Amino acid sequence: AQSVTQPDIHITVSEGASLELRCNYSYGATPYLFWYVQSPGQGLQLLLKYFSGDTLVQGIKGFEAEFKRSQSSFNLRKPSVHWSDAAEYFCAFNTGKLIFGQGTTLQVKP
Amino acid sequence: DVKVTQSSRYLVKRTGEKVFLECVQDMDHENMFWYRQDPGLGLRLIYFSYDVKMKEKGDIPEGYSVSREKKERFSLILESASTNQTSMYLCASTSSHYEQYFGPGTRLTVT
Repeated sequence: AQSVTQPDIHITVSEGASLELRCNYSYGATPYLFWYVQSPGQGLQLLLKYFSGDTLVQGIKGFEAEFKRSQSSFNLRKPSVHWSDAAEYFCAFNTGKLIFGQGTTLQVKP
Repeated sequence: DVKVTQSSRYLVKRTGEKVFLECVQDMDHENMFWYRQDPGLGLRLIYFSYDVKMKEKGDIPEGYSVSREKKERFSLILESASTNQTSMYLCASTSSHYEQYFGPGTRLTVT
């Protein structure tokens, strides 16, 4: 079955600390992969995407993600978290329609 | 920039009412989508459309219908609203199988 798993429902990090949000997918081929962010009460904003080529992709707001085919993973990272990064993060892939993970809520401690 | 707008940010309706949620995109995208978002369940696809007057059921179409009379507009219809349809509704559009662009969402409360 096609699915996306985000193992961490909630993550809390201190401001300035590094961040990694995990994402694993289940699909028969390499899909188009995305990370979206949703601030409270808002729609989803695209952070970054992977289609092919370089497996380390850069996105907006200082985020990056690395595609690892052998692990079927597409983890999101940021070297230094800011308080404004507190939000919900969704990993997704596209096979004609978007398949979303259940989301990870990031809390940032001052 | 792509802009996807939704007619209301917040909506309160009574059980049994007919509810219309409107979505408009300004980038001439062929594909449009309606999702609902609930805590712990993520985003679930209700309906989508690949062209004017075309519609396809998503994962949870029961209790909903859609209308796409013009390319830029995609409406979600709750024929008879029920309390279990209280949710955040998100519209999205795309021109391809790549990234989707989302509207700000409509938080619907059915009492």
